[in-house]
Amino acid sequence: NAGVTQTPKFRILKIGQSMTLQCAQDMNHNYMYWYRQDPGMGLKLIYYSVGAGITDKGEVPNGYNVSRSTTEDFPLRLELAAPSQTSVYFCASSYSRGVGQPQHFGDGTRLSIL
Amino acid sequence: QQPVQSPQAVILREGEDAVINCSSSKALYSVHWYRQKHGEAPVFLMILLKGGEQKGHEKISASFNEKKQQSSLYLTASQLSYSGTYFCGTARSNAGGTSYGKLTFGQGTILTVHP
Repeated sequence: NAGVTQTPKFRILKIGQSMTLQCAQDMNHNYMYWYRQDPGMGLKLIYYSVGAGITDKGEVPNGYNVSRSTTEDFPLRLELAAPSQTSVYFCASSYSRGVGQPQHFGDGTRLSIL
Repeated sequence: QQPVQSPQAVILREGEDAVINCSSSKALYSVHWYRQKHGEAPVFLMILLKGGEQKGHEKISASFNEKKQQSSLYLTASQLSYSGTYFCGTARSNAGGTSYGKLTFGQGTILTVHP
C-alpha cells in the first residue's frame, strides 16, 4: 500500500522556468491538499480539492495552479518560478473532510529556485 | 489566522514530561496534532473535535477546551523517539456549527529528548 506518492523528491529550477509537482494517492481519498513548508516554519496551505473537478485556494495560492481530473491525482503547477518559491512541498490526502479525518502526507518535494 | 503554539522549544531528559499548547483567536471545530522528524513528512498523532474531549495514545494525550479555543498535548515519561517538531492544525467553525475542512497549522514546537 503506497499511500501518498510525490515525485520528484528533489528539483532545482532556474528563475522563470515552469514545472509540475506530481501527487498520487491509492487510498480512494476524496480530499487532497498541497502545502509548502519553509525552513523552520509550519505548513501553509496552497490549494486543496474535495473531489475530482473541484479545487479551491488556500492561504498562499499565488504563483501556483492545480487540477484534479481523477480521484487519485492532484498535480501542482508552478509557472514562472521565483526564488520565493524555494521550499519543501507536501501533498496530503484524507478520507473526507479534513476536520474529522487524519491527513496522510507524502514524503515531500524539495524545490530550489536559483 | 495561524494558531499560536507554546513553548517554541523544549529540552527534556528521558522520562520527563512535557506540555505543548496551541491557542487560536477564532472559534474552533477541531484540532489535529502531528509530529515531524527532521527531513521527513508530518505524521498524524490525534484529532480532537469540539466538545472538550480528551484523547490518549500510549503516553501521549491531548485535551481540547472549545470555550477557550485551546488545545494541549501531554507527553508523559518521554522517550528518545519523541524528539521532533510538533504541529497543531486547527479547523475553524463556520456559522452553521460545522467546518469548511481546511487546517491552519501553528509554527511548531521543537521537542528534544536527551538520554
